Amino acid sequence: DVKVTQSSRYLVKRTGEKVFLECVQDMDHENMFWYRQDPGLGLRLIYFSYDVKMKEKGDIPEGYSVSREKKERFSLILESASTNQTSMYLCASGTSGVTDTQYFGPGTRLTVL
Amino acid sequence: GESVGLHLPTLSVQEGDNSIINCAYSNSASDYFIWYKQESGKGPQFIIDIRSNMDKRQGQRVTVLLNKTVKHLSLQIAATQPGDSAVYFCAENMTRYGGSQGNLIFGKGTKLSVKP
Repeated sequence: DVKVTQSSRYLVKRTGEKVFLECVQDMDHENMFWYRQDPGLGLRLIYFSYDVKMKEKGDIPEGYSVSREKKERFSLILESASTNQTSMYLCASGTSGVTDTQYFGPGTRLTVL
Repeated sequence: GESVGLHLPTLSVQEGDNSIINCAYSNSASDYFIWYKQESGKGPQFIIDIRSNMDKRQGQRVTVLLNKTVKHLSLQIAATQPGDSAVYFCAENMTRYGGSQGNLIFGKGTKLSVKP
């Protein structure tokens, strides 16, 4: 079975703090994704990566950065957390091609005070 | 706005009944569709997928129907159980962001509640 793990299930940070969210997948997938999920807004793509050291902006990259130094690991960074970044963050991985199922991690519920 | 959407935000069914969750998409070039299930506090979980060269695909208790003429996708759950209570998302695959594949467009979800 595909396994995508995220470093924390729940996280509480203060405004202005630097926040790291880690994601690891064990299926040797090329693509990895970070989404945030908010009530009424659904899943919104923040960043994705289709190879090591490669990254692409998604729909809402402002206030975030990412790092992919190894194929299995994709990190989301909030350089200076703000209260409007309180959300559920979901990591996913998948392969490239026509049938691109994405497999999701359990999510990190981030609260910024 | 999103190209993938859902007709109903909530659906309540009696245990044992069949459930039908609908989804409309707007991109006729999309050629792959997925249904996900998300239980409270968990990440979305893959249920079933379908390619555009098919109009029906069956899994265990679930069936996905694709009508390309009207760009409509549906998920049918047979004999709905309390464990089926969750939010269900449809997603379509389309090429964007400079041609890289693997990006999905998600609907906002339908919440399915199963009454005992």
